Amino acid sequence: QQQVKQSPQSLIVQKGGIPIINCAYENTAFDYFPWYQQFPGKGPALLIAIRPDVSEKKEGRFTISFNKSAKQFSLHIMDSQPGDSATYFCAAQTGANNLFFGTGTRLTVIP
Amino acid sequence: NAGVTQTPKFQVLKTGQSMTLQCAQDMNHEYMSWYRQDPGMGLRLIHYSVGAGITDQGEVPNGYNVSRSTTEDFPLRLLSAAPSQTSVYFCASSGNSYGYTFGSGTRLTVV
Repeated sequence: QQQVKQSPQSLIVQKGGIPIINCAYENTAFDYFPWYQQFPGKGPALLIAIRPDVSEKKEGRFTISFNKSAKQFSLHIMDSQPGDSATYFCAAQTGANNLFFGTGTRLTVIP
Repeated sequence: NAGVTQTPKFQVLKTGQSMTLQCAQDMNHEYMSWYRQDPGMGLRLIHYSVGAGITDQGEVPNGYNVSRSTTEDFPLRLLSAAPSQTSVYFCASSGNSYGYTFGSGTRLTVV
């Protein structure tokens, strides 16, 4: 059973567009929600993260929106660039071992 | 500062062979984990460690063993390789159990 459900599977936007990736979870014990960015042939890299007591967090062009009552969170990428083309994973965690990943979204930003 | 180093980068095994995937980190992190990444399934936790001498099973531990004799090293052993273990394996470490740093991965093919 997938602990974190992620959509869409793939996404194509024009340069300057705002891609949005959505994730949902069921376990209310999760207390940390990170997003990871992965380029081909590389390991995932932590991009931005949020705790459930905050509804929004911004770091540069990346924003997480968090809806605790709906158990959903999303990643927005403002003014997207071709260099943002990568696979993005949402995740949810409680404790040292309980880090569960979504299935990933392959983003392509067209120049 | 190398971060998390994984060796080898690529490996082909025959069914039934054994091997060890190496992982080393130089950040003095207590928490280390092994994940496997399969298409359409995100990353799934195999084994994890919360410090030297302490390991435990993750979501998909069958067919794998780990040990943690030092803070720096966390090798993953495949006891008798099977085609189902064809995957990309990632080692990760964290100083506080949140915000993991990943290695660049080992691509394993079992024929």
